[in-house]
Amino acid sequence: DGGITQSPKYLFRKEGQNVTLSCEQNLNHDAMYWYRQDPGQGLRLIYYSQIVNDFQKGDIAEGYSVSREKKESFPLTVTSAQKNPTAFYLCASSPTGLLGYTFGSGTRLTVV
Amino acid sequence: QKEVEQDPGPLSVPEGAIVSLNCTYSNSAFQYFMWYRQYSRKGPELLMYTYSSGNKEDGRFTAQVDKSSKYISLFIRDSQPSDSATYLCATQGAQKLVFGQGTRLTINP
Repeated sequence: DGGITQSPKYLFRKEGQNVTLSCEQNLNHDAMYWYRQDPGQGLRLIYYSQIVNDFQKGDIAEGYSVSREKKESFPLTVTSAQKNPTAFYLCASSPTGLLGYTFGSGTRLTVV
Repeated sequence: QKEVEQDPGPLSVPEGAIVSLNCTYSNSAFQYFMWYRQYSRKGPELLMYTYSSGNKEDGRFTAQVDKSSKYISLFIRDSQPSDSATYLCATQGAQKLVFGQGTRLTINP
């Protein structure tokens, strides 16, 4: 079945550590996105990529980094510079120029 | 001003009630409007989308867009407990979707 796989489902990080969230899709979609979801704030865009080896900052990119070396993969690194990283992270993909995203099932990151 | 505004609720109604979920948006250039449904601890899934003004119906769900007032609505008829979820409106911005805050809906048996 085609879809988006996010891993891990739950992730715990100590303060000061970097962590990488995985996002893989087999939908042959060109565009991929990372969102952060906090209670009462909806989805906030962190980074997006329309094509391999290119990506753009979203609304809340500070403290995060991404790479897009392969069409299928768009990993997100939460760095120690992110002051409040505890959140639910969602990855999505879409065919370029078409509406509607397909979302993964999310990764819940908790800083301990 | 946020590009898309949505009342976060929570909204709680009895089973069988008609539910109305609403959003407003600020950019008159927006043409495509979507509703996503998100169950707890899951990713959102596309429920319906509409283009420009008008209504679109899919079973118990009706999406409505009024471009003159920049208002989008989702109506759920004969609501069921399985409809309990967070509903997010979205519109197609430049290269990406713009989401509302989401409304948490609970249907009580």
